[in-house]
Amino acid sequence: EVQLVQSGAEVKKPGESLKISCKGSGYSFSNYWIGWVRQTPDKGLEWMGVIYPGDSDTRYSPSFKGLVTISADKSISTAFLQWSSLKASDTAMYYCARRGATMEWSDPWGQGTLVTVSS
Amino acid sequence: SYVLTQPPSVSVAPGQTARITCGGNNIGSKSVHWYQQKPGQAPVLVVYDDSDRPSGIPERFSGSNSGNTATLTISRVEAGDEADYYCQVWDSSSDHYVFGTGTKVTVL
Repeated sequence: EVQLVQSGAEVKKPGESLKISCKGSGYSFSNYWIGWVRQTPDKGLEWMGVIYPGDSDTRYSPSFKGLVTISADKSISTAFLQWSSLKASDTAMYYCARRGATMEWSDPWGQGTLVTVSS
Repeated sequence: SYVLTQPPSVSVAPGQTARITCGGNNIGSKSVHWYQQKPGQAPVLVVYDDSDRPSGIPERFSGSNSGNTATLTISRVEAGDEADYYCQVWDSSSDHYVFGTGTKVTVL
């Protein structure tokens, strides 16, 4: 069974750094793009960016470029999303998702990581 | 940037048919994909490439796409279909996904 398992919920203060993870299993992790999606009540689902673990080719949505860093370690079948300095506006649910072979859709998705940033 | 517009809510009685629209400029020229998200859960792909279903998705879920509107149709609606539904397209030039605004389906 193809599965993505994300790290647990985080509560952080503004200005702190954070790195959340997404571990794939049941398939060849290196050969499929992994994307990250932010979900908030106000803006719904937002595509943040994507990485190809095989060669770490990374592409960011213009809305998130420079605000987050996407990386992957294929030796442990894990992708990461990180912030160097969190803001309250980063409070959201974050999902990773495996892109299909045609790149156009994603399935499955991880269970989500809730990030709360509050002083 | 490309915008996908969905009705905020659709209500349907059990056993009836729910139709969820997704509007976008010349969306018929793109492939549209649909996700179901139940409360507290991650999105699940229910239709891809306009009208194909992943394995395990009931035949009651179907899709169509033409002109400026794509439609997800849920036939013989069940209580378990109550969820938020999102359409999505891929902008190949920027390798960027665009999601619709989402529709909450309520089963009366």
